Amino acid sequence: AQKVTQAQTEISVVEKEDVTLDCVYETRDTTYYLFWYKQPPSGELVFLIRRNSFDEQNEISGRYSWNFQKSTSSFNFTITASQVVDSAVYFCALSEAEAAGNKLTFGGGTRVLVKP
Amino acid sequence: DTGVSQDPRHKITKRGQNVTFRCDPISEHNRLYWYRQTLGQGPEFLTYFQNEAQLEKSRLLSDRFSAERPKGSFSTLEIQRTEQGDSAMYLCASSLSGLTRFDEQFFGPGTRLTVL
Repeated sequence: AQKVTQAQTEISVVEKEDVTLDCVYETRDTTYYLFWYKQPPSGELVFLIRRNSFDEQNEISGRYSWNFQKSTSSFNFTITASQVVDSAVYFCALSEAEAAGNKLTFGGGTRVLVKP
Repeated sequence: DTGVSQDPRHKITKRGQNVTFRCDPISEHNRLYWYRQTLGQGPEFLTYFQNEAQLEKSRLLSDRFSAERPKGSFSTLEIQRTEQGDSAMYLCASSLSGLTRFDEQFFGPGTRLTVL
């Protein structure tokens, strides 16, 4: 069975600090996809990134970066120079391969509070 | 291009009443998903449709829950004889998926159900 664990329930930082969110996953599939979503106070889940299991190249998008390590089953997310607008709950999610419907298994989320 | 919309945004009902929620996916998206998110938790998969066919249902979906997508466009989720444990945010997502392509799921704003 698939499982996603986000051990940090809440992280509080001061603006401009970097913050790293941990995500550890379990799956028996050899082909899978990993995601990060942001849920601001308004409640709508916002897609941030998708990674497939065959692509371990790290990615940077502006102040966001992701570190995928298959050897440790981790897909960590770093926000550099955090801003107040980054305050939200962040979810890591895992999806089975195409044939299984791509349903998402989410972690419990990490609440990030960025103080001015 | 409009996003996923859900109606109503909030619903308060008394225990034992029936409720129905509607989801309008992004046009031409062939997959539609329903998730449930309880307070402080990540979303949990309930069911999904490929066009009008309901292809998978979670064990979370008791016989009091029914979902339809009659013409492969909008979907409804009905909960009969609501219980206080049904109180949650019900999220709808849609995606465009094919044999050789996988795309991310776009989420709607959710319907928050409160059962008194």
